[in-house]
Amino acid sequence: NAGVTQTPKFQVLKTGQSMTLQCAQDMNHEYMSWYRQDPGMGLRLIHYSVGAGITDQGEVPNGYNVSRSTTEDFPLRLLSAAPSQTSVYFCASSLAGGRKAFFGQGTRLTVV
Amino acid sequence: QQQVKQSPQSLIVQKGGISIINCAYENTAFDYFPWYQQFPGKGPALLIAIRPDVSEKKEGRFTISFNKSAKQFSLHIMDSQPGDSATYFCAASRANDMRFGAGTRLTVKP
Repeated sequence: NAGVTQTPKFQVLKTGQSMTLQCAQDMNHEYMSWYRQDPGMGLRLIHYSVGAGITDQGEVPNGYNVSRSTTEDFPLRLLSAAPSQTSVYFCASSLAGGRKAFFGQGTRLTVV
Repeated sequence: QQQVKQSPQSLIVQKGGISIINCAYENTAFDYFPWYQQFPGKGPALLIAIRPDVSEKKEGRFTISFNKSAKQFSLHIMDSQPGDSATYFCAASRANDMRFGAGTRLTVKP
């Protein structure tokens, strides 16, 4: 059972570079989401998707882009990395909304 | 402004003791209140959850108490074990929006 798989696990970027964080799930969940986790802040919702072709903004969407072409995949794109985007990023999936979400192992991103 | 406030930030409990973590929320539209457990280097994992029409839910050693009028809910870990040492997050959800508390780092001393 793979569940939610995130790649890469670690990444170092230079300011201004772009990159894509990958997320895939094999549970046939319609709902997928991206969070960032920062010390003392808990997890904050960046973007979410309720199905292929449908995405929406969460609490902290600026600087991030998403698309959902398949049920399984939900990549997160950083268009021009900034040091403020240094964080641990988690992808999650669930059958519906925020109910019973399954999280991936996370991607630790450092922007220098 | 954080919509879900969690306390304490850290908690140290002796093995066999009771761990209590508290959360308060602002938005009365929230209708699902989960607790997640996170070990270092891992993603959060759902521990237990409650809906606002229930005042208490118990699963093994873990109990959620919910006070709708006070907009507060808490996690009680009975007979705490060293293996329970982790960071715990409360959350409040409505439709596609889930807001997390800042987390509580629990250490259970043997």
